[in-house]
Amino acid sequence: QSMLTQPPSVSGAPGQRVTISCTGSSSNIGAGYNVHWYQKLPGTAPKLLIYDNNNRPSGVPDRFSGSKSGTSASLAITGLQAEDEADYYCHSYDGSLSGVLFGGGTKLTVL
Amino acid sequence: QVQLQESGPGLVKSSETLSLTCTVSGASVSRYYWTWIRQPAGRGLEWLGRFYVNGATDSNPSLKSRLTMSVDTSKNYISLKLTSVSAADTAVYYCATYTGSHSDAFDIWGQGTLVTVSS
Repeated sequence: QSMLTQPPSVSGAPGQRVTISCTGSSSNIGAGYNVHWYQKLPGTAPKLLIYDNNNRPSGVPDRFSGSKSGTSASLAITGLQAEDEADYYCHSYDGSLSGVLFGGGTKLTVL
Repeated sequence: QVQLQESGPGLVKSSETLSLTCTVSGASVSRYYWTWIRQPAGRGLEWLGRFYVNGATDSNPSLKSRLTMSVDTSKNYISLKLTSVSAADTAVYYCATYTGSHSDAFDIWGQGTLVTVSS
């Protein structure tokens, strides 16, 4: 099935570590396509956070990291800060759709 | 530095055609694939399709029959047309591209433009 599934919400206290999962299938993540992650604040365009599973663009703090295994990927955020409160989206390519998929998004709340 | 700026009517009547443009600065439209993405209020991102100057197109199957994308190389902008719109097409529409600096991740985005479909 061509979709990427994320938990609707996650939360953590300042300084803690949280992870956001992105579960796909054999036609997308499991087929070897890379996973990218974006951070989206209300009223602003998405910002690239992680590309090709585990690479950070220049300027993204090393508190953000990504991983991929099998048909799933994860975004980890350590040392949570209030400014990390945002929506996070995963993105991959789907060979069955011949197009791009986004996960449904995960809202991170910093308690 | 590549910058994108979407523009459009803001309000479109149901069953009519939505037309948006995305002005590109800092690069030629001939250089990259151009992608349209939208986000309905309270919902996630949805990929609409991508277009290259040579006419190569990939579209979301759910929109394929209604979606047209094109490029104007003389004015350096890209455009989107979505026919027979309904309330379900109400969303913030983004143009985006991947420059290759970060693989095929979308590293350049416009600020987005809100389109509301009215009955």
